[in-house]
Amino acid sequence: DQQVKQNSPSLSVQEGRISILNCDYTNSMFDYFLWYKKYPAEGPTFLISISSIKDKNEDGRFTVFLNKSAKHLSLHIVPSQPGDSAVYFCAATGDSSYKLIFGSGTRLLVRP
Amino acid sequence: GAGVSQTPSNKVTEKGKYVELRCDPISGHTALYWYRQSLGQGPEFLIYFQGTGAADDSGLPNDRFFAVRPEGSVSTLKIQRTERGDSAVYLCASSIGQGFGGQFFGPGTRLTVL
Repeated sequence: DQQVKQNSPSLSVQEGRISILNCDYTNSMFDYFLWYKKYPAEGPTFLISISSIKDKNEDGRFTVFLNKSAKHLSLHIVPSQPGDSAVYFCAATGDSSYKLIFGSGTRLLVRP
Repeated sequence: GAGVSQTPSNKVTEKGKYVELRCDPISGHTALYWYRQSLGQGPEFLIYFQGTGAADDSGLPNDRFFAVRPEGSVSTLKIQRTERGDSAVYLCASSIGQGFGGQFFGPGTRLTVL
């Protein structure tokens, strides 16, 4: 049973517009959430994270929102750029902070 | 390059053979992790080393899989009697301590079992 779900396998957005990537989780013990970005033939790269004590974290063009009651988080990219085209993974962790539980990823394409 | 390196980048083997996958973590990183990413899925945790010892190997799928880190730096993931279902990208990550956001991933080894 998948504990972290990314239900949209792909997303296409026009350059300059907002990209919204969604993630749902089932385990209420998760207390830290992360987004990773992955280019082909490279390993995942950490992008942004959020603790369960917050509902929003912002870093430049990237903002992550956490809705604990809905067990849902989202990543907003504004404005989107062609270089943002990659696969984005949502991950979560709980008591064992080293063990990341990943979603299946969303492939983002930003069209010029 | 100061990043995590993995060798080989690609490995093709036949069913039943033995393979070794190597990971060179970032210098000074005491924690090392192995993940496996199957097609269309996210990375799946396999094992975590703190120093030389495997602190958590609960993600290893069965006893055909084994990993070592004898000197607390380089790690080798060993797979015996490979099966077609073992085909995946094997990712290694390292961090300074036990830290999630600080996990730096290597490019992975793509293993294909024919």
